[in-house]
Amino acid sequence: EVQLQQSGPEVGRPGSSVKISCKASGYTFTDYVMNWVKQSPGQGLEWIGWIDPEYGSTDYAEKFKKKATLTADTSSNTAYIQLSSLTSEDTATYFCALYSYWGQGTLVTVSS
Amino acid sequence: DVVMTQTPLSLPISLGDQASFSCRSSQSLLHSNGNTYLAWYLQKSGLSPQILIYRISNRFSGVPDRFSGSGSGTDFTLKISRVEPEDLGVYYCLQHTHLPNTFGAGTKLELK
Repeated sequence: EVQLQQSGPEVGRPGSSVKISCKASGYTFTDYVMNWVKQSPGQGLEWIGWIDPEYGSTDYAEKFKKKATLTADTSSNTAYIQLSSLTSEDTATYFCALYSYWGQGTLVTVSS
Repeated sequence: DVVMTQTPLSLPISLGDQASFSCRSSQSLLHSNGNTYLAWYLQKSGLSPQILIYRISNRFSGVPDRFSGSGSGTDFTLKISRVEPEDLGVYYCLQHTHLPNTFGAGTKLELK
């Protein structure tokens, strides 16, 4: 059974960074790209980008190129997203997702 | 970027009725490999999105056959033949033919 288990909620101060993890199981980690999706409170879904865990190659939506950094550790089958220079606009739930399977989401709250 | 336009934004419905959702893209979603990467998701309140349909018309494993997808090029439709209580929520279309991947704004299916 494919599972994507994300790390718990994060609180970050304005200007700081947070890093969220997504541990994959039930499939070969390097066979599929891992997407990351943002959902601001009460809003729709925004695609942040993806990483190909086999090669480490990434692609980002333009608005997230300076905000998000995607990495993957094939030894632990874990994908990561780091969000930098946090502002109130970054308060949201972040999902890791294969196209057919999604993590449970991680709430990031930016607060001083 | 490919703009995905979903209509209507809200769809009030009675249980047992048919529901129809529209998703239009600003350019063709036909990939050079012959596939069209258009998927439909349902997000129930407080949960992660769940995939219903992939590549226009393929029901994901376990999705009831009351859900059907159709379309081509830039114009796509999701239909529910008879709405049941567990179908309520927000429906999103996603294109992943082009980078960046893009979601529609969603259609909220709710009771009249």
